[in-house]
Amino acid sequence: ETGVTQTPRHLVMGMTNKKSLKCEQHLGHNAMYWYKQSAKKPLELMFVYNFKEQTENNSVPSRFSPECPNSSHLFLHLHTLQPEDSALYLCASSQDDPGRGIQYFGAGTRLSVL
Amino acid sequence: SQQGEEDPQALSIQEGENATMNCSYKTSINNLQWYRQNSGRGLVHLILIRSNEREKHSGRLRVTLDTSKKSSSLLITASRAADTASYFCTAGASGSRLTFGEGTQLTVNP
Repeated sequence: ETGVTQTPRHLVMGMTNKKSLKCEQHLGHNAMYWYKQSAKKPLELMFVYNFKEQTENNSVPSRFSPECPNSSHLFLHLHTLQPEDSALYLCASSQDDPGRGIQYFGAGTRLSVL
Repeated sequence: SQQGEEDPQALSIQEGENATMNCSYKTSINNLQWYRQNSGRGLVHLILIRSNEREKHSGRLRVTLDTSKKSSSLLITASRAADTASYFCTAGASGSRLTFGEGTQLTVNP
């Protein structure tokens, strides 16, 4: 148990659906991250939030919409996804500078887009 | 970003043997971190070594850092089947972002 909780663990959705992934951290950290991990590819950083402000968007398509209402919660809203968006989505948090702090990861949401 | 590159891509050993994985990076760093990922799960932080340290131990893990060669190694001694996982390194630096490479897939056979 890392202190970072992601829900749901598994999600199957159609291309016209709208769904949201949730991440919650109980560690008092100030930075939170969304990553995408596709089969046979390195982990891709999608978004970074620091003190609730988005500090990085790595050219992520607009069908992925992050929301960070407070330092403990992070959401990823999904709409009109494509089959190639099927992947493991990981949330992480850190206390220190996002460039060098230790990151604590959730268990991930396995997303399948049909 | 400060992506580390792990080598080898895959490593298969017998239980009880030692496993050594290497990492290279490109620019100046504050620290070098190693993470483990079991299949389909999130990454777990293993150990952090600061740029002014040369060696660090944690249980069966031993990490070395050579900043002149911009390289690090992770040694797992007396490996167990439960050590089977992917291992990633990442270089930490202020003002940058931790990024992860493709990792080393370690398989420990019983």
